[in-house]
Amino acid sequence: DIQMTQSPSSVSASVGDRVTITCRASQGISSWLAWYQQKPGKAPKLLIYAASSLQSGVPSRFSGSGSGTDFTLTISSLQPEDFATYYCQQANSFGLTFGGGTKVESK
Amino acid sequence: EVQLVESGGGLVKPGGSLRLSCAASGFTFSGYSINWVRQAPGKGLEWVSSISSSSSYIYYADSVKGRFTISRDNAKNSLYLQMNSLRAEDTAVYYCAKEMATGTLPYFDYWGQGTLVTVSS
Repeated sequence: DIQMTQSPSSVSASVGDRVTITCRASQGISSWLAWYQQKPGKAPKLLIYAASSLQSGVPSRFSGSGSGTDFTLTISSLQPEDFATYYCQQANSFGLTFGGGTKVESK
Repeated sequence: EVQLVESGGGLVKPGGSLRLSCAASGFTFSGYSINWVRQAPGKGLEWVSSISSSSSYIYYADSVKGRFTISRDNAKNSLYLQMNSLRAEDTAVYYCAKEMATGTLPYFDYWGQGTLVTVSS
């Protein structure tokens, strides 16, 4: 299976900050990557698919980039509702795998 | 409105069995692949299994292969996960998750609220 490694595992930030989360695949996955946001006690929410395509209804402050093995999720200006845990997921091949998660916390 | 509602979770002893269900509404269920994804308490997400729209393609994570069986009934708009030989490490919230579109890659645009499975003696 393809291993997905996220960094950092947690980040402390303030409202208005630019936040960047990275995800590295153990082998090339082209652009077949998604990003999800999860809040405590809730199901994950799809933010980005195909590495850089914004899911309908997701604010434009979220953006994704990358291809091959290295990917980035950027929140351009952190809002109060963005404090959550973020996961990447490779969609290149079954078994599908997720990164370990990045928790965005209030500084 | 798309809705996915899981049920069937609970407490089961190691070695026991449980059958999870996921009731779907608000979309053409027979047109989409559906997956099970689980999350152990305080841990990250783990993909479990996938079934295509007509049940032609089925995939499992290595961790559950041979013990879990995914199935669906398109007439009832329902997805199932039969879990046998349960282990403590299967303890998790189990989510059903719908893939974005037919014939595309497995990105999950709708998720249920989850059902908790606890394996303990």
